[in-house]
Amino acid sequence: DQQVKQNSPSLSVQEGRISILNCDYTNSMFDYFLWYKKYPAEGPTFLISISSIKDKNEDGRFTVFLNKSAKHLSLHIVPSQPGDSAVYFCAASGNQFYFGTGTSLTVIP
Amino acid sequence: DAGVIQSPRHEVTEMGQEVTLRCKPISGHNSLFWYRQTMMRGLELLIYFNNNVPIDDSGMPEDRFSAKMPNASFSTLKIQPSEPRDSAVYFCASSFNGGREQYFGPGTRLTVT
Repeated sequence: DQQVKQNSPSLSVQEGRISILNCDYTNSMFDYFLWYKKYPAEGPTFLISISSIKDKNEDGRFTVFLNKSAKHLSLHIVPSQPGDSAVYFCAASGNQFYFGTGTSLTVIP
Repeated sequence: DAGVIQSPRHEVTEMGQEVTLRCKPISGHNSLFWYRQTMMRGLELLIYFNNNVPIDDSGMPEDRFSAKMPNASFSTLKIQPSEPRDSAVYFCASSFNGGREQYFGPGTRLTVT
């Protein structure tokens, strides 16, 4: 039973446009959410996080939005760059740690 | 600064054989996590240690899986006997004091034929 879901396995975006990656969760006890980025043959690397007491966190081109009532978070990348092409994992934590299945982003030059 | 180190990077073995995956966390980190990545389930937490003590092993799929952390700089994940459905990429990650921003190793790709 997936407690963190990323329903889009892949996404393609033109360079310079906005990329929006989505994530849904089921457990209202989660209090911290993270996004990780993964290149082929490498481990995931931490990208950005948000506490459940906030609804937005921004870091350069990356912004994470949290909608607690909908149990939904999203990652916005703007402008998208070819180097952003990777698999993005959403993660949620409370007493335990859960990852989604990932969304493969391709930014087309 | 060395990151999390995992060995081997690739392992191919036959069904029934014992497999041992190794991990060296980042120096100074006292929390260590073992994950398994599959296409169907994404990244699953198998077990995590804090100060060398297993805190939560509820993700370990079966008794065939076992993990140890004999000291602060080394951990192993063992599968005995291995089965084809164990084929996956296994990641080790570490953090400081259970911090939620974990640092991942490059993973071990296990293939069981």
